Amino acid sequence: DAGVTQSPTHLIKTRGQQVTLRCSPKSGHDTVSWYQQALGQGPQFIFQYYEEEERQRGNFPDRFSGHQFPNYSSELNVNALLLGDSALYLCASSRGEGYYNSPLHFGNGTRLTVT
Amino acid sequence: QKEVEQDPGPLSVPEGAIVSLNCTYSNSAFQYFMWYRQYSRKGPELLMYTYSSGNKEDGRFTAQVDKSSKYISLFIRDSQPSDSATYLCAMRANQAGTALIFGKGTTLSVSS
Repeated sequence: DAGVTQSPTHLIKTRGQQVTLRCSPKSGHDTVSWYQQALGQGPQFIFQYYEEEERQRGNFPDRFSGHQFPNYSSELNVNALLLGDSALYLCASSRGEGYYNSPLHFGNGTRLTVT
Repeated sequence: QKEVEQDPGPLSVPEGAIVSLNCTYSNSAFQYFMWYRQYSRKGPELLMYTYSSGNKEDGRFTAQVDKSSKYISLFIRDSQPSDSATYLCAMRANQAGTALIFGKGTTLSVSS
């Protein structure tokens, strides 16, 4: 049973560029959340997708956007990259927006470095 | 005040020790409490998941939730070098679509 898979594992970008990160949820899961984890910090919630719609958003600027596809996979897009966007980006999946007691399962993340 | 406070450590113990990890929180709406383990260069792995107050045991791990004190704990018995990792507490309210709020994580090192 495949868990949450993310690609790529590492990425190096230059300030001002745009980046797209990808996530496939765990089998049987239909809700995808994205988190940003800076070095030495806990993950910070970016947004959550369910039924191809953004359902909740954390305190992140509009430069961060996302998409969910009919097969439940998801993309995170970040425009106009800043040095401060360097972090581990984690995708988490769970079962059903209404199943708020469904625990989140995380992928191994994409390490983004902005130079 | 942050919603979830967790001492980042680092915490160093000898093999076989009992480890106690703790978090405090301020939001009384939190109902679901989780502990994740994160190895270097990996994503968080769910260890324990509890609802409301009480204890839950799974092998060498015991999670405790005291909602009256807004305090949660994770105990690791007979700690092993393989337990060396960062431990993250996380919690969420009892409402659909609510985000998981994490502590900063405590780095644990178990020496053989």
